[in-house]
Amino acid sequence: GAVVSQHPSRVICKSGTSVKIECRSLDFQATTMFWYRQFPKQSLMLMATSNEGSKATYEQGVEKDKFLINHASLTLSTLTVTSAHPEDSSFYICSATETGRRYTFGSGTRLTVV
Amino acid sequence: DAKTTQPPSMDCAEGRAANLPCNHSTISGNEYVYWYRQIHSQGPQYIIHGLKNNETNEMASLIITEDRKSSTLILPHATLRDTAVYYCIVRALLYGGSQGNLIFGKGTKLSVKP
Repeated sequence: GAVVSQHPSRVICKSGTSVKIECRSLDFQATTMFWYRQFPKQSLMLMATSNEGSKATYEQGVEKDKFLINHASLTLSTLTVTSAHPEDSSFYICSATETGRRYTFGSGTRLTVV
Repeated sequence: DAKTTQPPSMDCAEGRAANLPCNHSTISGNEYVYWYRQIHSQGPQYIIHGLKNNETNEMASLIITEDRKSSTLILPHATLRDTAVYYCIVRALLYGGSQGNLIFGKGTKLSVKP
């Protein structure tokens, strides 16, 4: 079946530094990838949608200059949290789809900013 | 996409069937019903989806009412590993070009007890 690999699974960084999270579709071409954020005891909140070779579309309230998304190939999308602060600490999850019929999710990245 | 309503939590005895309801009274004719689940600190896992006919796979069965305004996900023999948050999502399929996203509600927290 479709597999999405997300790395790293956990990361701790100092306030003010940047962190890059990778999301790879291993056995299919992901025409569209999505990035979600999930705070404790809350549901997933969509941050942005990216299509290969195009600029990402950000949801209202998500700072595009802070959360940089690159979808340079059909199998890789990256999310870079720039100048991270403690309030950016969260669980970040990517999702990918080839046909729009089924969406496969990565295992998530736990970001802690200290 | 149509909104869904699910009970916040449910309990189920191990080995018994777990029946998780979902109301989607404003569903449109071209919208599918998707079920995903999220085990603690992991990415969501696809379970099943359907349009109007009942569906069954190795994980679960999906029963959709004739008027399509509600559905029930059935886990026939729940195990402790089925303890998770279950999300019911409705959305239309988009063909060609970029694909739409999945919007998550609060879901149902299913606790399977020994």
